[in-house]
Amino acid sequence: AQSVTQLDSQVPVFEEAPVELRCNYSSSVSVYLFWYVQYPNQGLQLLLKYLSGSTLVESINGFEAEFNKSQTSFHLRKPSVHISDTAEYFCAVSDRFQGAQKLVFGQGTRLTINP
Amino acid sequence: NAGVTQTPKFQVLKTGQSMTLQCAQDMNHEYMSWYRQDPGMGLRLIHYSVGAGITDQGEVPNGYNVSRSTTEDFPLRLLSAAPSQTSVYFCATIAGTDPYRQFFGPGTRLTVL
Repeated sequence: AQSVTQLDSQVPVFEEAPVELRCNYSSSVSVYLFWYVQYPNQGLQLLLKYLSGSTLVESINGFEAEFNKSQTSFHLRKPSVHISDTAEYFCAVSDRFQGAQKLVFGQGTRLTINP
Repeated sequence: NAGVTQTPKFQVLKTGQSMTLQCAQDMNHEYMSWYRQDPGMGLRLIHYSVGAGITDQGEVPNGYNVSRSTTEDFPLRLLSAAPSQTSVYFCATIAGTDPYRQFFGPGTRLTVL
């Protein structure tokens, strides 16, 4: 069985500041890792994913996450945030045998951007 | 192409009442699933289906029933609602052409009094 821990429930930052949202996972098998974003009053959208290969993955809107197998982490970073990044971010894991079908989510981190 | 639609958006029930949350998709995705989202707990998988006629349990199936008679629809039934089922419910699908991305509907906010 897998589990995901997001270490911060809320992260307030100022606009144009850097941000890191932390995610640690545990699993007895190889995993796929995901970050989903939920804007207010909307469903979740896939932000980025790690399947294999390069441990650094990027999204189209400037976020990146790095898979660290030894530390079982998949932290999300952005060097300069915008007001529009205000949302809740969820880290998720699935085991490689089931693809992305049965996701296990973390508790979520609410990112608030202050002007 | 409407994507994943869920109805109703909001619902208030009394304990013991029954209702069905509707989920429909027009993308011909074989895989559909239901999650519930609770504060501080993220999303948890209730039931899922890999195709018409096939369903299986997720992490928290108790109190919920599903069926999948068509590819397009995957309703979630609460036979006797309880306050513990107060939550936001999301339906999600996966495309066969992109098996690593789940498409989520806008959600149904359910309150059980």
